Amino acid sequence: SQTIHQWPATLVQPVGSPLSLECTVEGTSNPNLYWYRQAAGRGLQLLFYSVGIGQISSEVPQNLSASRPQDRQFILSSKKLLLSDSGFYLCAWKGLVVTGELFFGEGSRLTVL
Amino acid sequence: AQSVTQPDIHITVSEGASLELRCNYSYGATPYLFWYVQSPGQGLQLLLKYFSGDTLVQGIKGFEAEFKRSQSSFNLRKPSVHWSDAAEYFCAVGVGNMLTFGGGTRLMVKP
Repeated sequence: SQTIHQWPATLVQPVGSPLSLECTVEGTSNPNLYWYRQAAGRGLQLLFYSVGIGQISSEVPQNLSASRPQDRQFILSSKKLLLSDSGFYLCAWKGLVVTGELFFGEGSRLTVL
Repeated sequence: AQSVTQPDIHITVSEGASLELRCNYSYGATPYLFWYVQSPGQGLQLLLKYFSGDTLVQGIKGFEAEFKRSQSSFNLRKPSVHWSDAAEYFCAVGVGNMLTFGGGTRLMVKP
């Protein structure tokens, strides 16, 4: 069966420090991969998605970047964190079926101080 | 572009009472529709989905949803709420590879 893992689960970082959140999927090949952010009291905002290795689409210009170095690995990064980067970050994958749903990881809570 | 509106930000119901969470979407054709649930500090879990066919869809945990094309709605229902149903619920519209989510409805359950 397919599984998705995110780490770290919780992160507290100072303003201006770098960020790396990692997401891996097991049990499937060539998934579509997504990064969403959930700020306090707000809905889900799509940040990036990827349909293949090295292929990244950005939905919202911001302080973050994403990379997909391997088929089932998706990384969210920042060179210098801002206070506004605080939030709950969710990775998700989707199979190739057009009508398929997204499957979400457990999330990573980032607090920027 | 598609959009999803969940008019109710918070809803409180008594345990054992019925529940209906509203969802309205905007899209030019019949979309793929989903309901997800999120417990605090957790990821999202799929409750149910609609692609085509029967407009009344059954999901996990005793939930169901009804697609009404004329009203552009996909409301979530449960006949009897349990305390463990307290969570945040998200409606989503799927178009191609993308899912667009509503703002969510936070459900609180009174004992």
